[in-house]
Amino acid sequence: GAGVSQSPSNKVTEKGKDVELRCDPISGHTALYWYRQSLGQGLEFLIYFQGNSAPDKSGLPSDRFSAERTGGSVSTLTIQRTQQEDSAVYLCASSPEGNQPQHFGDGTRLSIL
Amino acid sequence: AQSVSQHNHHVILSEAASLELGCNYSYGGTVNLFWYVQYPGQHLQLLLKYFSGDPLVKGIKGFEAEFIKSKFSFNLRKPSVQWSDTAEYFCAVITYGNNRLAFGKGNQVVVIP
Repeated sequence: GAGVSQSPSNKVTEKGKDVELRCDPISGHTALYWYRQSLGQGLEFLIYFQGNSAPDKSGLPSDRFSAERTGGSVSTLTIQRTQQEDSAVYLCASSPEGNQPQHFGDGTRLSIL
Repeated sequence: AQSVSQHNHHVILSEAASLELGCNYSYGGTVNLFWYVQYPGQHLQLLLKYFSGDPLVKGIKGFEAEFIKSKFSFNLRKPSVQWSDTAEYFCAVITYGNNRLAFGKGNQVVVIP
């Protein structure tokens, strides 16, 4: 069956520009997560959506980062005024419920010039 | 906040050798434990998980892990590795009431034919 789909797979942009990253979770999964994978920092939690509950935003590194999940399905992670330290692979995952194993997408490799 | 420690970040071994990767976490409450694997060019995949019950869990591809509560450990083992086990391995923890995954830094394993 279809897994977690992320787009774009690669994004190169100039410092200061805004970027939007998209995640399409596995159908029926109520929980959706964003993580960031970078050299030296490993895998870091960013934000978690569960159904219609308020998201857990405690992992977002700054107010330049925001995320939405529309209709309980697709999610968009937005980074405003990008900085070079934002360069990383951004991973999306989904699970049937909050504490179940998470299924990961291929990620979006973001490079800030 | 919980933390997850993985030692020996780079491991090189020959085919048929035994593999053991250590994982320790710092959280005294109820935890769910996971090992994920990332093969070259692929997304993170679940290798095995522990929620409760028998502390020795078996996963895919001949891997197993043992949960030792008194040592806060969840070490991964495989008796005889193959070249196709070349990958990066991540230990991860979810603590009760907190559905985000906390990852270790990962172990880069290279199996030489």
